[in-house]
Amino acid sequence: TQLLEQSPQFLSIQEGENLTVYCNSSSVFSSLQWYRQEPGEGPVLLVTVVTGGEVKKLKRLTFQFGDARKDSSLHITAAQPGDTGLYLCAGLMEYGNKLVFGAGTILRVKS
Amino acid sequence: NAGVTQTPKFQVLKTGQSMTLQCAQDMNHNSMYWYRQDPGMGLRLIYYSASEGTTDKGEVPNGYNVSRLNKREFSLRLESAAPSQTSVYFCASSEPTGGWGNTIYFGEGSWLTVV
Repeated sequence: TQLLEQSPQFLSIQEGENLTVYCNSSSVFSSLQWYRQEPGEGPVLLVTVVTGGEVKKLKRLTFQFGDARKDSSLHITAAQPGDTGLYLCAGLMEYGNKLVFGAGTILRVKS
Repeated sequence: NAGVTQTPKFQVLKTGQSMTLQCAQDMNHNSMYWYRQDPGMGLRLIYYSASEGTTDKGEVPNGYNVSRLNKREFSLRLESAAPSQTSVYFCASSEPTGGWGNTIYFGEGSWLTVV
């Protein structure tokens, strides 16, 4: 079983639509990160959220960390074909300093 | 800027063969990691090294060994490869321990197939 449950697993939308990806756990994390990965490459960090309730914006992407630091969401406004990729959430365990990943969400934005 | 470099990029092994995946980083990071990525499973931590001279097991260490040769290099060895080890392997590094706010940098991945 995954410590971090990501949903949905797959998302195929039209250009201009909005979407939200969720990352949930029963565990508390010191911080949570979101990565984007393209085929044939390693994941690249998008953002780190640290404080419960924190909201960070990166252009059309909005990231939120849950108040209890157990969940997070990624919202994309007006998706573009360039947003296509695999989105991964990763949480830093409160104890042990280990970073664990969710299974990922494959996003496809059609023009 | 090289960042994290891992070799080989592709490898096909027969069941029972051994091999070592090499990883080097030029960012003077203390912490290095080996992950495997499988469809629908995300990235799972195999081993990590918080600093030179130390290594610790991650989520899925069975069937693997690691060596932190020096601060730059962290290798992953499969002593007797099994088909279940067919995967994409990523080496990564961070400073100081992947703690909050710190970025983990990944290599480009090594595609390993065990037949």
